[in-house]
Amino acid sequence: AQTVTQSQPEMSVQEAETVTLSCTYDTSESDYYLFWYKQPPSRQMILVIRQEAYKQQNATENRFSVNFQKAAKSFSLKISDSQLGDAAMYFCAYRAISSGSARQLTFGSGTQLTVLP
Amino acid sequence: NAGVTQTPKFQVLKTGQSMTLQCAQDMNHEYMSWYRQDPGMGLRLIHYSVGAGITDQGEVPNGYNVSRSTTEDFPLRLLSAAPSQTSVYFCASSYSTWRSYNSPLHFGNGTRLTVT
Repeated sequence: AQTVTQSQPEMSVQEAETVTLSCTYDTSESDYYLFWYKQPPSRQMILVIRQEAYKQQNATENRFSVNFQKAAKSFSLKISDSQLGDAAMYFCAYRAISSGSARQLTFGSGTQLTVLP
Repeated sequence: NAGVTQTPKFQVLKTGQSMTLQCAQDMNHEYMSWYRQDPGMGLRLIHYSVGAGITDQGEVPNGYNVSRSTTEDFPLRLLSAAPSQTSVYFCASSYSTWRSYNSPLHFGNGTRLTVT
């Protein structure tokens, strides 16, 4: 079974600074997708960024980028120029491509990010 | 475009009561699922469906039933509520993987359920 581990329950960053959230996963699959979701206090789940395992290039979405290390099974999220609106719970998630489990997302336990003014 | 609509937003039940959490999506998604979110545990899959008439169990299915009679609706039933089912419940949908392997999940806004 796949597992996703977020070892930082809480993180804080100063406004305008950069912060990196860690995520590691365990899988025997070779093809899969990785996602970061953001959950603000409104409880809404918002997709931040996604990464296909077969792509070596790290995904980037504006101020959000990932450092994907397939051999190390690591998928960290970097937030640049942090803003107060980035304060939220961040979840790392894994989705296999093989049949049977391809539709399920496995989530990490989350990292609560605080942005300090 | 409503997306994924969950009702109710909040619910308080007494132990042993039953209820149904409603979920509807208007994006013609084949895949629908229910997750529960508990502190320190992330989101865990309860049940999922890959199309009308097809359902399957996820990681934590005990105490919950589902059915999928239409593409749009995927209700979650608690037959006899227990305090261990106090949680925040999310419905989520997406295109099936044959259409788009990286199709992201679209989430409803959640239901906070308290069982006393």
